[in-house]
Amino acid sequence: EIVMTQSPATLSVSPGERATLSCRASQSVSSNLAWYQQKPGQAPRLLIYGASTRATGIPARFSGSGSGTEFTLTISSLQSEDFAVYYCQQYKNWPPEYTFGQGTKLDIK
Amino acid sequence: EVQLVESGGGLVQPGGSLRLSCAASGFTFSSYWMKWVRQAPGKGLEWVASIKQDGSEKYYVDYVKGRFTISRDNAKNSLYLQMNSLRAEDTAVYYCAREWYSTGDYWGQGTLVTVSS
Repeated sequence: EIVMTQSPATLSVSPGERATLSCRASQSVSSNLAWYQQKPGQAPRLLIYGASTRATGIPARFSGSGSGTEFTLTISSLQSEDFAVYYCQQYKNWPPEYTFGQGTKLDIK
Repeated sequence: EVQLVESGGGLVQPGGSLRLSCAASGFTFSSYWMKWVRQAPGKGLEWVASIKQDGSEKYYVDYVKGRFTISRDNAKNSLYLQMNSLRAEDTAVYYCAREWYSTGDYWGQGTLVTVSS
């Protein structure tokens, strides 16, 4: 099983500042990495797939980078609606064995 | 507009069974893989199962194999999850999601399953 590890567990950032979230895979997943945003009481929302491609309707302030085992989600200028929990998910294996990271909670500083 | 609406959750005793449903609308249901993902209270996301467009391929996370069965009815635009031999650790919100490049691009709002005596 590919284990996904996110850091930090909690990140406190002020509105308007940049946030950088990390995700590490226990083995290479190439670019088969997605990022999701989840707000309390809501379903997850797909932000990024293929490590760096924004999903439909996702603002340009969200960007993803990385390949292999190290990945980053960057939010360039935090808006109030961006404070949420963020999850990475790998989808390398076939047959499917999709695994998620444990999440990073983005808090208002 | 794509919509996924789950139903069927509730309180069930350990060892019991439950069948979840997911009604899909706003897209051609038969053209997409579908999946179930769960989230235990206060915890992260966990993929449970996926099913191919025609139902000919089904995949599960190891610890539900033999207990859970994913299925679909394309004529009814519906996805199902039959859950048997339920355990306390199966307590979670269960989401159905449309698969897109192996991610989930649309999700339902979830249905809560509580396994407790």
